[in-house]
Amino acid sequence: EPEVTQTPSHQVTQMGQEVILRCVPISNHLYFYWYRQILGQKVEFLVSFYNNEISEKSEIFDDQFSVERPDGSNFTLKIRSTKLEDSAMYFCASRQNSYNEQFFGPGTRLTVL
Amino acid sequence: DAKTTQPNSMESNEEEPVHLPCNHSTISGTDYIHWYRQLPSQGPEYVIHGLTSNVNNRMASLAIAEDRKSSTLILHRATLRDAAVYYCIPDRIGNQFYFGTGTSLTVIP
Repeated sequence: EPEVTQTPSHQVTQMGQEVILRCVPISNHLYFYWYRQILGQKVEFLVSFYNNEISEKSEIFDDQFSVERPDGSNFTLKIRSTKLEDSAMYFCASRQNSYNEQFFGPGTRLTVL
Repeated sequence: DAKTTQPNSMESNEEEPVHLPCNHSTISGTDYIHWYRQLPSQGPEYVIHGLTSNVNNRMASLAIAEDRKSSTLILHRATLRDAAVYYCIPDRIGNQFYFGTGTSLTVIP
């Protein structure tokens, strides 16, 4: 069964450093998402991406964040200058169209020291 | 955005049916109702979704009220592997996917 994959599974970085989290969505999907989940808290929407552009973003997704689909298979989330409060699990998701189910990846645990 | 109300927690005995309720009184006519679950230390997992009619799949059934202001996820025979946090999410096309706090289901052996 096709699945969404994410790399790395765990990323440790120093405050102020740039990180790139990578996702490979399911191949025939057209809509892509990033979410985060701070330990013990709820899953929070960050951004949705369709047709090579951001379709919606939350208040969390400020100028420090960017997304890209560089090669038609990968979908990346970049955090330019990480803060301690960026420590969280980051989940990528994809879906085939705008109303059916989202498929989530296993997540990347980001730890900012 | 349509917000939801779910019980914080529920318990069920193993092999018994479980009915997980959700109120989404501000849902709009075109919002699909999605249910996801999150097992400990895992990403969210799709369970079922529907628009107006009741829906069944291999995991669960979804009963949607006639006025669409509430829905109930039905697990026909709870197993220990069903212990998770269950989220109902009104999915507005092109809008944010709002998870809420969900219902934490405990399955008692």
